[in-house]
Amino acid sequence: EVVLTQSPATLSLSPGERATLSCRASQTVSSYLGWYQQKPGQAPRLLIYDASNRATGIPARFSGSGSGTDFTLTISSLEPEDFAVYFCQHRANWPLTFGGGTKVEIK
Amino acid sequence: QVTLRESGPALVKPTQTLTLTCSFSGFSLSTSRTYVSWIRQPPGKALEWLARIDWDDSKYYSTSLNTRLTISKDTSKNQVVLTMTNMDPVDTATYYCARHYYDSGLYYNYFGPWGQGILVTVSS
Repeated sequence: EVVLTQSPATLSLSPGERATLSCRASQTVSSYLGWYQQKPGQAPRLLIYDASNRATGIPARFSGSGSGTDFTLTISSLEPEDFAVYFCQHRANWPLTFGGGTKVEIK
Repeated sequence: QVTLRESGPALVKPTQTLTLTCSFSGFSLSTSRTYVSWIRQPPGKALEWLARIDWDDSKYYSTSLNTRLTISKDTSKNQVVLTMTNMDPVDTATYYCARHYYDSGLYYNYFGPWGQGILVTVSS
């Protein structure tokens, strides 16, 4: 199965700063990678699918890039509501797996 | 509007079988290429995909849990049921159901929207 490793585990930033989150796959997943945001007590929300496509209703400050084994989620300018945990997930083969998450916290 | 809601017991004992129901509205599992999955999340930990059921009753399971899981659907009731046998304290988690993401006529193996989740604790 594909193992997804996210880094860093925690990212401490201030509102307005740029956030760069990484997800590395143990084998190629082509462009079949998505990103989710999860706030405390809530279900995850899909942000990006197939590496670089924003899901319906997602603001333009969220962008994704990468292919093969290395992927990046970028938040261009952090809003207060963006402080949350972010997970990546692949759909390249079975089983579908998630990364361990990156927490973006207020510095 | 698509909505999903999980229901079931909040507490089960070790070795018991867990049965969870996902009740949904706003879509039909008799529609071609529609998929619903179960995903779980232990407290403070990462997400784990468990199982998927398709409109045509095809089923897919987590490699590590496939001997313990059964997913089924009742299209007339708009429900998907997950059973997990031989529950253990390590199975304590919030269990979510989710429809697969749909965009421009295609369903993808990503998840959204999700239900609110149900916390299941395994303890004697």
